[in-house]
Amino acid sequence: GIQVEQSPPDLILQEGANSTLRCNFSDSVNNLQWFHQNPWGQLINLFYIPSGTKQNGRLSATTVATERYSLLYISSSQTTDSGVYFCAVGGGSRETSGSRLTFGEGTQLTVNP
Amino acid sequence: DTGVSQDPRHKITKRGQNVTFRCDPISEHNRLYWYRQTLGQGPEFLTYFQNEAQLEKSRLLSDRFSAERPKGSFSTLEIQRTEQGDSAMYLCASSFEFVTQYFGPGTRLLVL
Repeated sequence: GIQVEQSPPDLILQEGANSTLRCNFSDSVNNLQWFHQNPWGQLINLFYIPSGTKQNGRLSATTVATERYSLLYISSSQTTDSGVYFCAVGGGSRETSGSRLTFGEGTQLTVNP
Repeated sequence: DTGVSQDPRHKITKRGQNVTFRCDPISEHNRLYWYRQTLGQGPEFLTYFQNEAQLEKSRLLSDRFSAERPKGSFSTLEIQRTEQGDSAMYLCASSFEFVTQYFGPGTRLLVL
């Protein structure tokens, strides 16, 4: 199946700093989502971005599908940004299109005051 | 709240008991998914439904696991003869066709 690698695995920032999280995937996809998992385990949708660039407030994401990677940018980080960020992809050429999402292992972000 | 809901939120059971979880998707979504997440890992796909048809099952879904979506609305996931290795967060998601999957809050299962 499709492989998803996220980096870095852990990231510690001071409040106000910027950061970039990376997601590499091993096959073409027609679904790519970024999630933030809060301390209670809820997966919060950040972006649906199989290609292109999107922005939502302090967050933005870019997916370069031809090169099989996606980046999540967090600017002016706040303590409430802490948590685990997951990239998940679906619809690889060997998989039933649009069904399962395959998740990376996540980036644990800690923002200190 | 019109998001995905799951019940119960927490379940503690003894090894060998059967448990059943319920998921109510967003009302207009025709696709429903189950995932499992263990500590420190990303969620792993278990199965998905399009309307009432179960179209794909992961190899993770052993014969002790069964899922149903009888009328194409809510879904249930049953685990028979639970084992300690079944302890995990069970997540349900829904979508309309191929696009964004929205996740519920999950059911945390602890098997003693």
